Amino acid sequence: KAGVTQTPRYLIKTRGQQVTLSCSPISGHRSVSWYQQTPGQGLQFLFEYFSETQRNKGNFPGRFSGRQFSNSRSEMNVSTLELGDSALYLCASSLLRGRTGELFFGEGSRLTVL
Amino acid sequence: EDKVVQSPLSLVVHEGDTVTLNCSYEVTNFRSLLWYKQEKKAPTFLFMLTSSGIEKKSGRLSSILDKKELFSILNITATQTGDSAIYLCAVSLTNFGNEKLTFGTGTRLTIIP
Repeated sequence: KAGVTQTPRYLIKTRGQQVTLSCSPISGHRSVSWYQQTPGQGLQFLFEYFSETQRNKGNFPGRFSGRQFSNSRSEMNVSTLELGDSALYLCASSLLRGRTGELFFGEGSRLTVL
Repeated sequence: EDKVVQSPLSLVVHEGDTVTLNCSYEVTNFRSLLWYKQEKKAPTFLFMLTSSGIEKKSGRLSSILDKKELFSILNITATQTGDSAIYLCAVSLTNFGNEKLTFGTGTRLTIIP
């Protein structure tokens, strides 16, 4: 069974640009959550999608957005990039909502903003 | 504001030692506490704790939750170099039916052969 797949694995952008990250959950998993990981702040919750609808959102500015498709794949977008957006972005999937004990994480997308 | 604090931030021990990692929390609408191990990129699930005083064990790892004092510990006995990783504590919160994880910043554990 394939795990959670995130693409791209690494990317470099400059300030002001935008970026789109992709996450393919484990087959059959319908809930996808996104987290930002930085050395100083640890993992911080961005948002959760289930059945193509955003169900929960963390405390991030509106520059951070996401969506989920009918096949449960999810994308997140960050517009007008800032230096502080440099981080590892982790996606996690679970079979159903509320199953935080059964979250499976991808290996992340490492974003560097210059 | 919901807060999860892990200590120590980093720990270096010799192979064979026993270590105890700490996680304290101040949150509203607590549902459960989870431990993850992050070796390179993807955190992997270790334990989920919902009830006080009930120890969960998996091989050399064990964990327990104290909901009165709002903390949890993760013990690793007879440590091996493969235990070197960042150990993350997270608290699952529920709010109007929505659930999210709030993480601590992690404890970086290094095992010296």
